[in-house]
Amino acid sequence: QVQLVQSGSEVKRPGASMRVSCQTSGYPFFNYGVAWVRQAPGQGLEWLGWITPYNGDTQYSRKFQDRVNITADTSTNTAYLDLTSLRSDDTAIYFCARSRFYSYWFDPWGQGTLVIVSS
Amino acid sequence: QSVLTQPPSLSAAPGQKVAISCSGFNSNVVNNYVSWYQQLPGTAPKVLIYDNGNRLSGTPARFSASKSATSATLVITALQTGDEADYFCAAWDRGLSAVVFGGGTKVTVL
Repeated sequence: QVQLVQSGSEVKRPGASMRVSCQTSGYPFFNYGVAWVRQAPGQGLEWLGWITPYNGDTQYSRKFQDRVNITADTSTNTAYLDLTSLRSDDTAIYFCARSRFYSYWFDPWGQGTLVIVSS
Repeated sequence: QSVLTQPPSLSAAPGQKVAISCSGFNSNVVNNYVSWYQQLPGTAPKVLIYDNGNRLSGTPARFSASKSATSATLVITALQTGDEADYFCAAWDRGLSAVVFGGGTKVTVL
């Protein structure tokens, strides 16, 4: 079955960088996109961006454009989210999710990765 | 502050119906497809409805959605205790060039 399995929780210092991985399986990696969405504690959902693995094209939310980088390793069917210059308000659960080309809904989602930014 | 507006909470008794609204603007809800997600406590969101009113395979027929000129609505009929969750709407926003979400509606089954 289609699965997206993310890396484990992390604690980071303010100013540091984070990387979350999303290992996909059960579907052709090239035929779908991978999106990243985060959820701060007790808050709503916030889209960070996505990648089209077959050509590496990315699109980012303007809010994060100068700090975010999404990549995909087609040899391992894994997508990565990098976020730099971390602040305390970056503390959140980060989700990856499969997306369809020219569609703006996501299914399924990874289990989520908690990133805590604290000094 | 979320771009799309949802009521923070709704409640109803088992067997009853709830309707969750999602309002936005021309740049998102009015002119683009809306999707709906269910997030059970401690789990990742799961899509219920995509492209305004299409149920994903596996979504019970008790869940339906529609869109009017200015807003979208998710309706849950024959409410069950297992439906207690947060529900989010989402749409593409062409002005922001981003997927935007509602703030979420917590549904409580009394």
